[in-house]
Amino acid sequence: NAGVTQTPKFRILKIGQSMTLQCTQDMNHNYMYWYRQDPGMGLKLIYYSVGAGITDKGEVPNGYNVSRSTTEDFPLRLELAAPSQTSVYFCASSYPPIWGGAPTDTQYFGPGTRLTVL
Amino acid sequence: GQQLNQSPQSMFIQEGEDVSMNCTSSSIFNTWLWYKQDPGEGPVLLIALYKAGELTSNGRLTAQFGITRKDSFLNISASIPSDVGIYFCAGQLTGGGNKLTFGTGTQLKVEL
Repeated sequence: NAGVTQTPKFRILKIGQSMTLQCTQDMNHNYMYWYRQDPGMGLKLIYYSVGAGITDKGEVPNGYNVSRSTTEDFPLRLELAAPSQTSVYFCASSYPPIWGGAPTDTQYFGPGTRLTVL
Repeated sequence: GQQLNQSPQSMFIQEGEDVSMNCTSSSIFNTWLWYKQDPGEGPVLLIALYKAGELTSNGRLTAQFGITRKDSFLNISASIPSDVGIYFCAGQLTGGGNKLTFGTGTQLKVEL
């Protein structure tokens, strides 16, 4: 199993350009998440999905869009890149809690995409 | 948005020393988690805590879920060079996608 994979690893964008950050997991996880991590800070949730066809906003969704057409893929779209979106982006996935099992789940993180907007 | 307060921000210790760090929140959580992040990598789960008062160990790591459900601490005993990295706490409420709220991180540096 590859786990959670993200592409690209690095990207430099000009202001106003658009791009899609790719995230794929091969663990058949229902839940997927996108976070951003600014220097010296913890991770903040951008969007999440509890299953194919279902997405919801996290704490910092402005300037981003997501889609979830399959269980495996959860791409993050930036339409009009701004310098404030310079950050490291992490994708994560997890199983939902199983009734009678552990009360919560473990999120597995990808290696991240380092994005700079100039 | 809410962010957990984590302290200390950074620590510079000698190899073999014990390390303590903690995390506090203004609201309660059902689960507390501790992650470690190495440079250029995503966070990796170290310990998960599910009940108030719970004390859980993973090798040289020990973590506790505070009685009030608003705090947690992590201890590392007999630190070694590979303990270097950033440690994050995270709180989780069950339901609604099981979203995590992360702390600000504690950067650990170990001197040989």
